Amino acid sequence: EAQVTQNPRYLITVTGKKLTVTCSQNMNHEYMSWYRQDPGLGLRQIYYSMNVEVTDKGDVPEGYKVSRKEKRNFPLILESPSPNQTSLYFCASSPPPSGSPSYEQYFGPGTRLTVT
Amino acid sequence: AQTVTQSQPEMSVQEAETVTLSCTYDTSENNYYLFWYKQPPSRQMILVIRQEAYKQQNATENRFSVNFQKAAKSFSLKISDSQLGDTAMYFCAFMTNSGYALNFGKGTSLLVTP
Repeated sequence: EAQVTQNPRYLITVTGKKLTVTCSQNMNHEYMSWYRQDPGLGLRQIYYSMNVEVTDKGDVPEGYKVSRKEKRNFPLILESPSPNQTSLYFCASSPPPSGSPSYEQYFGPGTRLTVT
Repeated sequence: AQTVTQSQPEMSVQEAETVTLSCTYDTSENNYYLFWYKQPPSRQMILVIRQEAYKQQNATENRFSVNFQKAAKSFSLKISDSQLGDTAMYFCAFMTNSGYALNFGKGTSLLVTP
């Protein structure tokens, strides 16, 4: 089954304790992204990757790191989490849109993070 | 930067009725993609319908259709014969031809009542 998986699905942590949210896709997609969703703000892109070892900042990258060492994995790293990073996080993957008549981004199930 | 505006934070419709959700966007690009996503209480992001800007014909998926007005930069979603399972948050999203990012509106919470 084609899918994007995220782990953990729920996480409660304390300020300053480093954490990693994993993301993996089995569709051989080049593009991967991380978004955060906050009430009243919709989804905002944190980081994206166009392929292995190629990453760039999205709209809200402060306080986050990413890496893309393998095509299928795109972990999100919070080196020193703070309460304002409490949010719902989504990973997504997609092929490049050109030449893809049925283009879409495939989303993971989401990770609910609470930082106290 | 592209912006997406959904002017209706909440809407309600009775079962079997038709409802239209509004979306406007701002861009200087000529080629782009537009999407409507549904987010039910499970929080999963589900693609409802997509529209390529170069296509003049409005997209349709079963009970869901769009009214795409490129000159007006408007992309509304019409849900016909509303069902209780349509209750969800609906997000309008824009993407340039590069495919790097989806720009989302703030969402419209739709409640379908019996």
